[in-house]
Amino acid sequence: QVQLVQSGAEVKKPGASVKVSCKASGYTFSSYGINWVRQAPGQGLEWMGWVSTYNTNTNYAQKVQGRVTMTTDTSTNTAYMELRSLRFDDTAVYFCARERWELGYASDIWGQGTKVIVSS
Amino acid sequence: SALTQPPSASGSPGQSITISCTGTSDVGFDTYVSWYQQHPGKAPKLMIYEVNKRPSGVPDRFSGSKSGNTASLTVSGLRAEDEAEYFCSSYTGSNNWGFGGGTKLTVL
Repeated sequence: QVQLVQSGAEVKKPGASVKVSCKASGYTFSSYGINWVRQAPGQGLEWMGWVSTYNTNTNYAQKVQGRVTMTTDTSTNTAYMELRSLRFDDTAVYFCARERWELGYASDIWGQGTKVIVSS
Repeated sequence: SALTQPPSASGSPGQSITISCTGTSDVGFDTYVSWYQQHPGKAPKLMIYEVNKRPSGVPDRFSGSKSGNTASLTVSGLRAEDEAEYFCSSYTGSNNWGFGGGTKLTVL
């Protein structure tokens, strides 16, 4: 079935980097871009950015621009989100989601989420 | 957030409730409004896209609409399993997308 499976939870110190993976299966990976969305504890959803799986174009939210890099590996159908210079307020669950242009660019398939804790 | 939702809503089983999402005057809000349902500890689920379209598998009890700068999600015939948090989402300009703050729906 169509699914996105993310890497496991991470605990990082302030200033470190984290790289979360998102492996797609059940569909043609290069047909749809991937959005990255995070959710801090008890908070709402925050769009972080988008990466094309066709030509590696990216579009980042201003809030994380300069600290985030989103990439893809079409040989393994995997998308990656790396966040650098981690701060305490980067503690959140990070989701990848398939963007469907046919659905008005909505995200129809989501990964299970990856919890990232930033703690000293 | 550029998208404003009420923090909470409630209704009894069988009733209908409507959740609002007030957006911007950006042209993207005319078309690219979607709604997501999220149960605690779970990933969001797409319920409505392009203002009023339902993905396959979403019950027709869920409907979307828009008037001016306010989009709405209506849940008819409330059921216990509809208790969740609902987020609207839209294009907010300058190649950015955003989410509303979320509305916690309680089924009394």
